[in-house]
Amino acid sequence: EVQLVESGGGSAQPGGSLRLSCAGSGFIFTYYWMHWVRQAPGKGLMWVSCINNDGSSTIYADSVKGRFTISRDNAKNTLYLQMNSLRGEDTAVYYCARGPRIPVAGSDMDVWGQGTTVTVSS
Amino acid sequence: QSALTQPASVSGSPGQSITISCTGTSSDVGGYNYVSWYQQHPGKVPKLIIYDVSSRPSGVSNRFSGSKSGNTASLTISGLQAEDEADYYCSSYTSSSTLVFGGGTKLTVL
Repeated sequence: EVQLVESGGGSAQPGGSLRLSCAGSGFIFTYYWMHWVRQAPGKGLMWVSCINNDGSSTIYADSVKGRFTISRDNAKNTLYLQMNSLRGEDTAVYYCARGPRIPVAGSDMDVWGQGTTVTVSS
Repeated sequence: QSALTQPASVSGSPGQSITISCTGTSSDVGGYNYVSWYQQHPGKVPKLIIYDVSSRPSGVSNRFSGSKSGNTASLTISGLQAEDEADYYCSSYTSSSTLVFGGGTKLTVL
């Protein structure tokens, strides 16, 4: 079964840090782009970041650029999101999602994890 | 990176068809055939229902269809069913190589 499982969510103070992880299974992890998407309580989806299959290319939404870092360890089939300088507006459920399989281009995300909750509050 | 524009809500009766619009610019929706649609039931994980403007993933009902004209993409659901009641989000690739979502549309089946 193709599966993504996030972990690492929790509470942090403004200015603090958290690292999210997303373990993939049931597919060849190294073949796929991967994304992070978040959803604030009662709000819509917001794309956060993506990384290509070998980790050589990373892209970020303006609102997190310079504060968040996406990375992956293909040997461990795991995606990460290092979140620094956290703000209240970063409070959300964070989903990891699978992007297209190389060499196919596209923006769709066909497999999603169950999400992990991040709360930023003093 | 402004969000794509979707109506906040739409409604329809069982058996009817509804269309949800998703308006962007020539830098996103209008510039690329990389528009996707997601369905999200309350408390659940988003599910991909349309990709590349009009393609359906395996297992998605053919009652769901997508199209695009200029800077506006559309999702049509035909033969509306009670289980279709959910939030729907469009997304698009952008000229900045980022992705952008719409604000979401709540579909109510009357």
